[in-house]
Amino acid sequence: DAGVIQSPRHEVTEMGQEVTLRCKPISGHDYLFWYRQTMMRGLELLIYFNNNVPIDDSGMPEDRFSAKMPNASFSTLKIQPSEPRDSAVYFCASLDPLNTEAFFGQGTRLTVV
Amino acid sequence: GENVEQHPSTLSVQEGDSAVIKCTYSDSASNYFPWYKQELGKRPQLIIDIRSNVGEKKDQRIAVTLNKTAKHFSLHITETQPEDSAVYFCAASLSGGYNKLIFGAGTRLAVHP
Repeated sequence: DAGVIQSPRHEVTEMGQEVTLRCKPISGHDYLFWYRQTMMRGLELLIYFNNNVPIDDSGMPEDRFSAKMPNASFSTLKIQPSEPRDSAVYFCASLDPLNTEAFFGQGTRLTVV
Repeated sequence: GENVEQHPSTLSVQEGDSAVIKCTYSDSASNYFPWYKQELGKRPQLIIDIRSNVGEKKDQRIAVTLNKTAKHFSLHITETQPEDSAVYFCAASLSGGYNKLIFGAGTRLAVHP
């Protein structure tokens, strides 16, 4: 397995634009997490899914953020409209509850100018 | 919900010395406590974990201790080496069907030759 795959690796966009981040979890993992990493706040849990269903989105900072998981092999995190303070590295992670280890993707470095 | 606090935020040691990172958690129901290492520009990766039915676990130069009563757990690295330099994150979760994984803010460890 290639592990958790995120795209794009880097994204630079202008303030006000829509940004979509993508994640493919490891096959068979039924939990998927979206985290945001900044120097100030560390690794913040934004939202997580179990069997494609959003379980807890209390970490989503604002209505500008939305996440979907239309099937077991794909999830998106969308920011509309984007703002400079959204600049961060966004990680997706998937988890097999039998093993409890969360595997992270390479992350997407988002810069909003 | 769960809240994890981690100290110190930065730690600088000489090669060969020991390093200790401490975390506290708020939810007494949490029963799984992993530690992740993140090297510069890379994804977080699991290095060791402990469950609430165990007080201590060792893996070569790394050990983790857990005090359920006080709700704190610690990472101990002995005989530190320059390649141990990284950011270390502790986390807590309730495994077994509710795997919300909450991370501490991270500790930046620098090991000087």
